[in-house]
Amino acid sequence: AQKVTQTQTSISVVEKTTVTMDCVYETRDSSYFLFWYKQTASGEIVFLIRQDSYKKENATVGHYSLNFQKPKSSIGLIITATQIEDSAVYFCAMRDYNQGKLIFGQGTKLSIKP
Amino acid sequence: NAGVIQTPRHKVTGKGQEATLWCEPISGHSAVFWYRQTIVQGLEFLTYFRNQAPIDDSGMPKERFSAQMPNQSHSTLKIQSTQPQDSAVYLCASSLDLGGAGDTQYFGPGTRLLVL
Repeated sequence: AQKVTQTQTSISVVEKTTVTMDCVYETRDSSYFLFWYKQTASGEIVFLIRQDSYKKENATVGHYSLNFQKPKSSIGLIITATQIEDSAVYFCAMRDYNQGKLIFGQGTKLSIKP
Repeated sequence: NAGVIQTPRHKVTGKGQEATLWCEPISGHSAVFWYRQTIVQGLEFLTYFRNQAPIDDSGMPKERFSAQMPNQSHSTLKIQSTQPQDSAVYLCASSLDLGGAGDTQYFGPGTRLLVL
């Protein structure tokens, strides 16, 4: 069965530093897709970045990047030069190739301090 | 470009009443998904449609919950005889296609349902 686990409940860092959020997943499929979303204080869920399992290169979008370690079933999110507005809850999610539904982790609350 | 639209944003119902939640996907998106978010269970998949056809309802409670997609521009989630445990944020998402580069799901703002 599919499962996504985020063990970090909350993280607090100082503005302009780099933060890494962990995520591990379980799947029997050889092809799958991994996503990171953030949920703002207003409740809005925003797509950030994705990694397709067959791609070896780590995805990068703006100041978000991924650390994809396929043998470890791990997909970490790295945010560089953090800003106050990065404060949010971050969700890791996966989708098997032949399924439509996303399976979400429990979320990690990120607080950025000035 | 308009994102996924959900109405109402907030709904309060009495126990035993019916609740209908509406979703308008992003124009041109062929897949529509429903999720539910609670503090205890987190984000849970309910059901999804592709080209208006129901594809997977494995997350839907067996009783009282139903979903439809009568046309490509809207989907509804109906909860009959609402119970306090149905209180949650119901989220709709849409995507261009399944598989490949076009399948990222984009979420609406959600409908916060409170059953008293």
